[in-house]
Amino acid sequence: GENVEQHPSTLSVQEGDSAVIKCTYSDSASNYFPWYKQELGKRPQLIIDIRSNVGEKKDQRIAVTLNKTAKHFSLHITETQPEDSAVYFCAASPSFRNQFYFGTGTSLTVIP
Amino acid sequence: EAGVVQSPRYKIIEKKQPVAFWCNPISGHNTLYWYLQNLGQGPELLIRYENEEAVDDSQLPKDRFSAERLKGVDSTLKIQPAELGDSAVYLCASSLGGAGANEQFFGPGTRLTVL
Repeated sequence: GENVEQHPSTLSVQEGDSAVIKCTYSDSASNYFPWYKQELGKRPQLIIDIRSNVGEKKDQRIAVTLNKTAKHFSLHITETQPEDSAVYFCAASPSFRNQFYFGTGTSLTVIP
Repeated sequence: EAGVVQSPRYKIIEKKQPVAFWCNPISGHNTLYWYLQNLGQGPELLIRYENEEAVDDSQLPKDRFSAERLKGVDSTLKIQPAELGDSAVYLCASSLGGAGANEQFFGPGTRLTVL
């Protein structure tokens, strides 16, 4: 089955700096890669996703890059703000199976 | 449009007692997932339904856990009897389903505490 690894487990940055979270996956059949943000006590919410037919996707301060050959994808948050503080999860999904395999999460703290 | 609804939001029980969680997915979503989330960890799949059929329940501890989605809409997850180690957040999620990967929407979760 799929194995998703996520690093780092914790990340602290100064407000305004950039944050990068990296994930690797093992199953070459995975072709959909969502990222979720989970605030304390709340549900995971999709913030950005990427499919395997593109290498990069950007939405305002958030971007995701995908390297299919190396089987890794990364979340980039620029100009971080205190409200970006949360736990971020990556996931990989082989589309034909409707299954999602999650990373172990990164706790991001943005220091004002 | 209403999101995924779960109840109860919180449940405290004593060990060996039964407990049930309910989930109503987004209307029209054929795929329903039950996940377990321990503190500081990512969601772990317990069971996945495609309509009323359980297509992936390999991670469901069947000696004490059961689930149903009789009419292919809402679903119930049951634990009987509960153990101390079952304390966690139980998340329900849904997606459109079908051949391609679709966005997965999560409910607010049920936080279970077993004393």
